[in-house]
Amino acid sequence: GESVGLHLPTLSVQEGDNSIINCAYSNSASDYFIWYKQESGKGPQFIIDIRSNMDKRQGQRVTVLLNKTVKHLSLQIAATQPGDSAVYFCAENGAYGNNRLAFGKGNQVVVIP
Amino acid sequence: KAGVTQTPRYLIKTRGQQVTLSCSPISGHRSVSWYQQTPGQGLQFLFEYFSETQRNKGNFPGRFSGRQFSNSRSEMNVSTLELGDSALYLCASSSDGLYGYTFGSGTRLTVV
Repeated sequence: GESVGLHLPTLSVQEGDNSIINCAYSNSASDYFIWYKQESGKGPQFIIDIRSNMDKRQGQRVTVLLNKTVKHLSLQIAATQPGDSAVYFCAENGAYGNNRLAFGKGNQVVVIP
Repeated sequence: KAGVTQTPRYLIKTRGQQVTLSCSPISGHRSVSWYQQTPGQGLQFLFEYFSETQRNKGNFPGRFSGRQFSNSRSEMNVSTLELGDSALYLCASSSDGLYGYTFGSGTRLTVV
C-alpha cells in the first residue's frame, strides 16, 4: 500500500538550533517530493519541493535532501524559531500514478524558547 | 493572488445524513484533489479532478464522490454519513496535478 514514513514522531529543538526531519519513502518510482508544515487548525502549508533529478534544494532557512539510493528524504531547518513549531509531513507523487500525493504520518516539531 | 478556499470551515452532521463540501482552487489551476485527514490514518487521498474529469481515485467507499465544474471549482459529497467519517477534509489545487500543490484550510466535519 501507500507508505511514506517518518522516523521520529516528535522532535524537540532549542530555539536557534538546526532541525533535521527525516522521511523514508517506499516506492522508487516516485519522482516528486514535497515537505509541508501544518499548524493546528490549518491546512498543510508548502515549504519546499524537490524532483527526483536533484539531490538537494535550498530555500529560505530550509534545505531538502533526497537520497534515491536509500529512498530517504530529509528537511533541514536552520536557526529554528518558535514559529517553526508544527507538524511536518513529507509527501511523494508519481508512485501510485500521477496526480495523487502519498503522505507520511507526520513529525511534530517543538521549539523550546 | 487568492489561495484555495474551502467552505464551510466547520460542519456537524448526524449519522445517515449526507454532506457537500466545496473547494475553489487558485485561479488558473485546473487540478483539484481531495484528502481526508484523521489522527489515526493521517492524510489519505480521495480523488483528483482535472478539467471536470476524475483522473484518479483513492481507496474510499462509493459513498464518497466528487465533481468539478467548468470554472474548476470542485465539490465532494459524502452520503449516508458514519461516525468514522469525522475528519478534516482538505482540498489541494495544482496547475497540472503533477507539481506545486497548494492546500486550503480544510472543512472540519463532525458526525454525531
